[in-house]
Amino acid sequence: GDSVTQMEGPVTLSEEAFLTINCTYTATGYPSLFWYVQYPGEGLQLLLKATKADDKGSNKGFEATYRKETTSFHLEKGSVQVSDSAVYFCALRSGGYQKVTFGTGTKLQVIP
Amino acid sequence: GAGVSQTPSNKVTEKGKYVELRCDPISGHTALYWYRQSLGQGPEFLIYFQGTGAADDSGLPNDRFFAVRPEGSVSTLKIQRTERGDSAVYLCASSLMGQGEGEQFFGPGTRLTVL
Repeated sequence: GDSVTQMEGPVTLSEEAFLTINCTYTATGYPSLFWYVQYPGEGLQLLLKATKADDKGSNKGFEATYRKETTSFHLEKGSVQVSDSAVYFCALRSGGYQKVTFGTGTKLQVIP
Repeated sequence: GAGVSQTPSNKVTEKGKYVELRCDPISGHTALYWYRQSLGQGPEFLIYFQGTGAADDSGLPNDRFFAVRPEGSVSTLKIQRTERGDSAVYLCASSLMGQGEGEQFFGPGTRLTVL
């Protein structure tokens, strides 16, 4: 079945550091890929998505590229801010299905 | 506009009791989803409604779990004979349509604790 594996946290970075959170997946067919973010005390929000190979999703300075050959969708940001502190979930949705399969989440803490 | 709302925000119950969790989707959204998030884990799919009917209930763990959406809007997740292992945050999401790439908007969740 479908599965998502993402790097374990917590990840602690200083402000303005470069961020990478690794994500790999297993799925049948050609899934759509997502990154969701959960800020403290808030609900899950869609951060970015990519629907086909080589697509790059981007939002709020975050980027992730759909790599079919390595089945990966790593999240990157060039310069993190304290306000980026949150839990980040990599997820996929297989074509033809509506359910979203999530990774276990990576907690990011950015310190001033 | 109003987002997805869920009530109650917290529910504490005793083992063996029956509970109902409510979800109010975004107005006009035809698709509705329930997920369960255990501590330290990502959300796990439970069930998906398109309109009034359950289009996919493959994630329901057993027959103690049941969900309804009688008028195609509000949904209720029902858990019978609760067990301590049912303790989790139950998330509801809705999307404009169940086809294609409609974004799922999540509610704040109901934290269920079974003592």
